[in-house]
Amino acid sequence: AQSVAQPEDQVNVAEGNPLTVKCTYSVSGNPYLFWYVQYPNRGLQFLLKYITGDNLVKGSYGFEAEFNKSQTSFHLKKPSALVSDSALYFCAVRDHNQGGKLIFGQGTELSVKP
Amino acid sequence: GAGVSQSPSNKVTEKGKDVELRCDPISGHTALYWYRQSLGQGLEFLIYFQGNSAPDKSGLPSDRFSAERTGGSVSTLTIQRTQQEDSAVYLCASSLERGGPYEQYFGPGTRLTVT
Repeated sequence: AQSVAQPEDQVNVAEGNPLTVKCTYSVSGNPYLFWYVQYPNRGLQFLLKYITGDNLVKGSYGFEAEFNKSQTSFHLKKPSALVSDSALYFCAVRDHNQGGKLIFGQGTELSVKP
Repeated sequence: GAGVSQSPSNKVTEKGKDVELRCDPISGHTALYWYRQSLGQGLEFLIYFQGNSAPDKSGLPSDRFSAERTGGSVSTLTIQRTQQEDSAVYLCASSLERGGPYEQYFGPGTRLTVT
């Protein structure tokens, strides 16, 4: 069965410091991986995706993520955090043999303090 | 352009009543998805429509839940005989699919409260 784990419920970072939000996945076939962000009382916004090719994927708002097949990980990173990055972040996986549905992690609350 | 829209934004209903939630996907998107977001269960897949193919209903939690998509566009999620555990935010998403996989674009959600 497909699954996604986000081991940290909350990540606290000082503004200007680098941030990492962790994600590991389990699928039977080749994974398609996604990161979404959710601001309070808002729907999910797409940040970036990995389908194939370069393991380092760049996305919106300066975020990037690195696909690591051997570690089955897809950690989200940003070199310099902003207070406005504070939000709930979801990692999701789609098995290319299982149709279009996304399986989401439990979410990580990112808090960036000035 | 216009994003995914959902209505109503909030719905309060009494236990045992039926409710209908509506989703208008982005024009031209052939795939439509329903998810549920609740504190205890996180984000759960419910159902997926792709073009004229049979929908993937594997995420529907019980036979009280059903959904349809008319004319390949608007979708309605129906919950019959609502229970308190149905209280959640119901999210709809749409995407292009041919030549994909493409990212899914989410609507703002319908917050359902069953009293």
